[in-house]
Amino acid sequence: EDQVTQSPEALRLQEGESSSLNCSYTVSGLRGLFWYRQDPGKGPEFLFTLYSAGEEKEKERLKATLTKKESFLHITAPKPEDSATYLCAVQAYDSWGKLQFGAGTQVVVTP
Amino acid sequence: NAGVTQTPKFRILKIGQSMTLQCTQDMNHNYMYWYRQDPGMGLKLIYYSVGAGITDKGEVPNGYNVSRSTTEDFPLRLELAAPSQTSVYFCASRTGTGVPYAYGYTFGSGTRLTVV
Repeated sequence: EDQVTQSPEALRLQEGESSSLNCSYTVSGLRGLFWYRQDPGKGPEFLFTLYSAGEEKEKERLKATLTKKESFLHITAPKPEDSATYLCAVQAYDSWGKLQFGAGTQVVVTP
Repeated sequence: NAGVTQTPKFRILKIGQSMTLQCTQDMNHNYMYWYRQDPGMGLKLIYYSVGAGITDKGEVPNGYNVSRSTTEDFPLRLELAAPSQTSVYFCASRTGTGVPYAYGYTFGSGTRLTVV
């Protein structure tokens, strides 16, 4: 059974204090690993798709990396507007696009 | 604006009542999904559809039903509401052509349902 575990559950950062979020996964044939950002009261917003170990993607202060067992979301010099819950999800081959989500990491960035 | 539209945004139901959560997308996406999100838990898949007329169960389908008569619409039906169905419900869609995962899935803004 596919499983996704995110850590830590919550993270409090000072503005400018870089950190990393972890997403550990087990899946029967990884088709893609997704990172989403979710603001309170809103739906998840797509950030990245990673397809294979060694791949990296960047967007502003966010950088996602992928190994065969886990993915990291690095937040460099965060700003208060980076405060959100970050969700990780995996999709297996032959799964009709169904996603298995982790519980998320809630990030709060204070000025 | 293009995207996934969910209605209503909020709803309170009494135990035993029924309701339909509406989901419409205007991106001509073939694939549509219903997830529920409970506090401290990841999103769980309820039902999904790979095209008009084709639906299948996800991880937590009990107490729900769906239909897909058009590409645009994918309503979720709750029959005989129970307190365990108190949750936030999200509808999502994605294209099935080109590079379908390059742009991820588009989610609606959710329906917050409370069953009392």
